Amino acid sequence: ETGVTQTPRHLVMGMTNKKSLKCEQHLGHNAMYWYKQSAKKPLELMFVYNFKEQTENNSVPSRFSPECPNSSHLFLHLHTLQPEDSALYLCASSRTGIGTEASFGQGTRLTVV
Amino acid sequence: AQSVTQLDSQVPVFEEAPVELRCNYSSSVSVYLFWYVQYPNQGLQLLLKYLSGSTLVESINGFEAEFNKSQTSFHLRKPSVHISDTAEYFCAVSDNRNSGGSNYKLTFGKGTLLTVNP
Repeated sequence: ETGVTQTPRHLVMGMTNKKSLKCEQHLGHNAMYWYKQSAKKPLELMFVYNFKEQTENNSVPSRFSPECPNSSHLFLHLHTLQPEDSALYLCASSRTGIGTEASFGQGTRLTVV
Repeated sequence: AQSVTQLDSQVPVFEEAPVELRCNYSSSVSVYLFWYVQYPNQGLQLLLKYLSGSTLVESINGFEAEFNKSQTSFHLRKPSVHISDTAEYFCAVSDNRNSGGSNYKLTFGKGTLLTVNP
């Protein structure tokens, strides 16, 4: 139990579907992140939120739409995805400040068919 | 900007053998260093970190890593591995300047898959 909970754990969706990934943290952190983990590639940082404000978007396609209603919740809205978007999506949270480590959720395994 | 290089993508070893997973980093400023472990179908868990002080840091399950500034390395070692250590290990760095914006972000290496065989 890391204090960061992601739902669902597994998701299969068609290219025309709309779905959302949810992340919730119970650690009192104020920064939240979405990472994409694909086979044989390094972890890709997608989005960063600090105190609910988006502070980073690493050139992520618009078919991925994040939402952070408060410091404890983070969503990733998905629409018209491509098969190459199939991956493990990891949510993380941390305090802000130097030297802080991130706590990760268990991830959502997404398969786009 | 920082980067992390994990030189070995896969490291197979036998149970009770010693292991070293290599990590080198590149940065124009001083950094903090981390090792994370990912067990199958799980998220990443912090294994150990170096912020300051003693250059040798240890985890509770027998791993240790040594910060070597001159060689820009932070290799992970364990003198005797168990089957249960089979996992993917990620080295990460963060900027230690108080720049007020990006100093809490981690840059990860590509990971090293450690497989411990009986």
